[in-house]
Amino acid sequence: SYVLTQPPSVSVAPGKTARITCGGNNIGSKSVHWYQQKPGQAPVLVIYDDSDRPSGIPERFSGSNSGNTATLTISRVEAGDEADYYCQVWDSSGWVFGGGTKLTVL
Amino acid sequence: QVQLVQSGAEVKKPGASVKVSCKVSGYTLTELSMHWVRQAPGKGLEWMGGFDPEDGETIYAQKFQGRVTMTEDTSTDTAYMELSSLRSEDTAVYYCATVAYPQNWFDPWGQGTLVTVSS
Repeated sequence: SYVLTQPPSVSVAPGKTARITCGGNNIGSKSVHWYQQKPGQAPVLVIYDDSDRPSGIPERFSGSNSGNTATLTISRVEAGDEADYYCQVWDSSGWVFGGGTKLTVL
Repeated sequence: QVQLVQSGAEVKKPGASVKVSCKVSGYTLTELSMHWVRQAPGKGLEWMGGFDPEDGETIYAQKFQGRVTMTEDTSTDTAYMELSSLRSEDTAVYYCATVAYPQNWFDPWGQGTLVTVSS
């Protein structure tokens, strides 16, 4: 089955840029989606199809995908961005999630 | 827009079964592809299965095959997930989430249902 690999944690100072990676074999050939999950809440879609934002998601959230790595970029990070982030793809074996990355705002 | 409201928390003994419901509003269930995802305490998201409109049938993650059954009542726009032979490792929050075929992302999600398996 297809495996997605994320770093367990990323730390960033307020106002700086956070980059969260999602690695997978030739992931650039797949559509990658990203979710934000705050403690005690359900996940929320923040990026779909590699780089598109649902309505209501700030422009500070962007995504890219190429080769073996997809990246979620959060610009001008705010305290409210502190959360767990998960990448997800569809594979012939089904729907697959990465292990998640905890974003800490210093 | 689509809204999903799940049933309340459950406490079950090992070996028992649990059935979680997910009520759809804003759309009809036939217009959506319903899936189930679980999250053990302090762990990540794990896809359990869902309806594949391309094949017209429900598909299950290999890990849960034989132990999970996902059904739908289109008269009430309610989806159900039943997990049997429960063990302590099944303690988790169970989410329903929709996929708008032919897209393959989950949006929106239900609020989650905590299932605790304990003797």
